[in-house]
Amino acid sequence: GDSVTQMEGPVTLSEEAFLTINCTYTATGYPSLFWYVQYPGEGLQLLLKATKADDKGSNKGFEATYRKETTSFHLEKGSVQVSDSAVYFCALRGTGGGNKLTFGTGTQLKVEL
Amino acid sequence: DTAVSQTPKYLVTQMGNDKSIKCEQNLGHDTMYWYKQDSKKFLKIMFSYNNKELIINETVPNRFSPKSPDKAHLNLHINSLELGDSAVYFCASSQATISEAFFGQGTRLTVV
Repeated sequence: GDSVTQMEGPVTLSEEAFLTINCTYTATGYPSLFWYVQYPGEGLQLLLKATKADDKGSNKGFEATYRKETTSFHLEKGSVQVSDSAVYFCALRGTGGGNKLTFGTGTQLKVEL
Repeated sequence: DTAVSQTPKYLVTQMGNDKSIKCEQNLGHDTMYWYKQDSKKFLKIMFSYNNKELIINETVPNRFSPKSPDKAHLNLHINSLELGDSAVYFCASSQATISEAFFGQGTRLTVV
């Protein structure tokens, strides 16, 4: 079945540091890929998405590129802020029935001054 | 004008009780879901409904029963609550032709 593997946290960075959170996936066919963010005490918000190979999703300074050859969708940001502290989830929607999203385990990011 | 709203936000109850969580979406989506998030933040799908029909039923105890009276609502009823049911439950919706899902704020269930 479909699965998503993302790097374990927590990740602690200083403000303005470069962020990479690794995500790899296993799926049949051509899944759509997503990054969701969960701020403390809140629900999940879509951060960015990519629906086909070589697409780059971007939002709020975050980027991720759909790499089919390496089955990866790594999240990057050039300069993190304290307000980026949250849990980040990589997810995929496979081409099978049900339209369900399969999530990775989440990576907690803490940004310090 | 919240897109996906669920009530209540917090629910504290004793073991053995029966409780319900309600979810409504005003996005016109045709698919709705329930996800469970455990204490380690892991998210697992429980159920999915498309146009009021159950299409995904993962390995969930039959004490959990979803009900979808119409496309905009998906409620979750839980019988005989157990300590292990304590978690945050998220409702979500999507449109089959649009791939992302929109999530509610979550219901934190605590069984004591």
